Amino acid sequence: DAKTTQPTSMDCAEGRAANLPCNHSTISGNEYVYWYRQIHSQGPQYIIHGLKNNETNEMASLIITEDRKSSTLILPHATLRDTAVYYCIAGGSNYKLTFGKGTLLTVNP
Amino acid sequence: NAGVTQTPKFQVLKTGQSMTLQCAQDMNHEYMSWYRQDPGMGLRLIHYSVGAGITDQGEVPNGYNVSRSTTEDFPLRLLSAAPSQTSVYFCASSSPNNEQFFGPGTRLTVL
Repeated sequence: DAKTTQPTSMDCAEGRAANLPCNHSTISGNEYVYWYRQIHSQGPQYIIHGLKNNETNEMASLIITEDRKSSTLILPHATLRDTAVYYCIAGGSNYKLTFGKGTLLTVNP
Repeated sequence: NAGVTQTPKFQVLKTGQSMTLQCAQDMNHEYMSWYRQDPGMGLRLIHYSVGAGITDQGEVPNGYNVSRSTTEDFPLRLLSAAPSQTSVYFCASSSPNNEQFFGPGTRLTVL
């Protein structure tokens, strides 16, 4: 899996969009970008993944740059329940992912 | 669907004891994985399986054994527990749509 770099922590106001960046400059052509989050000490929760195109689902949007060296996860209207550690992972196989330390997103009232 | 279930939720062992962490999924997924998470760290892959009868090592396999006799079950065995194995253990199964579903975890303390 390619190495990813994320900020250690970020803050966001409730109701505003949360934009979480991720750098994966060594990503190879067949590696996906996955995003997971972990609330308190629960099991990680899948959010979204993409290869080249931007993706959107009911939870979030994923914007991948054209050169695929970085991406941004967007939570359009953050709530207090979105406070969690967010992991960006670049990998080819979804069953053997390499998790870094992620970004602690704190949503403030 | 219950998703991915893990038992027990908590366990305390003495050094040298052995035990099995249970993991089951009811989604008929071929791929299953075991991770451990130490305080303040991300998850590290222990072992994984791409189908019944097939297992392989991950990043930190030493001290652990796995087997996959059925699609549903993927138990993790600690052969001789050590304090360094104190951790939270997560089991996961992966769908064909590239989503990985995680269980609630087993919190293990080795004294």
